[in-house]
Amino acid sequence: AQSVAQPEDQVNVAEGNPLTVKCTYSVSGNPYLFWYVQYPNRGLQFLLKYITGDNLVKGSYGFEAEFNKSQTSFHLKKPSALVSDSALYFCAVRDGGGRRALTFGSGTRLQVQP
Amino acid sequence: DVKVTQSSRYLVKRTGEKVFLECVQDMDHENMFWYRQDPGLGLRLIYFSYDVKMKEKGDIPEGYSVSREKKERFSLILESASTNQTSMYLCASSRPGSGEQYFGPGTRLTVT
Repeated sequence: AQSVAQPEDQVNVAEGNPLTVKCTYSVSGNPYLFWYVQYPNRGLQFLLKYITGDNLVKGSYGFEAEFNKSQTSFHLKKPSALVSDSALYFCAVRDGGGRRALTFGSGTRLQVQP
Repeated sequence: DVKVTQSSRYLVKRTGEKVFLECVQDMDHENMFWYRQDPGLGLRLIYFSYDVKMKEKGDIPEGYSVSREKKERFSLILESASTNQTSMYLCASSRPGSGEQYFGPGTRLTVT
């Protein structure tokens, strides 16, 4: 079985400050890890993914995520938050050798205050 | 530009009605997915399909069925709508092995 936990329902950060949105996962094989973002009244948009290779992956809009195998985490980060980053963020995992479908976390709402 | 479209943005149906939600993708993707999104629960997989006429149950298939007669189209069917099926329904597609999914805008279904 595969699962994802996003421990924070909401994260608040001031514009210009660094942000982190947390994600931990559980899979039986090698993990494929993803972050998606959902802006109000829109579908989900892909941000970045980790399949293999460098533990720090860079994605769209200046976001990056760090894969930590020992802590089974894949936290989303950005050095300097923008008000326009305010949205709902979902972490997702897939077992690289198993089920084809992703399992999503419950989502974390990011609020960036001006 | 890749595109996944869903037949309706908003839909209101009565309890007991049969409901069809349509999804079309123009990327020639083999894989297609139906999720429902509820506050605090994230996205939950209802069904997915990895080829025409092939389907697999997701985590919450009860009360739903699907149809995939053509590669570009994946339909979700609520056989007899109930109020607990009021939700946002999202369709997605992907290439085999990719994992990266492309989502439609969603259909907000209300069952009264």
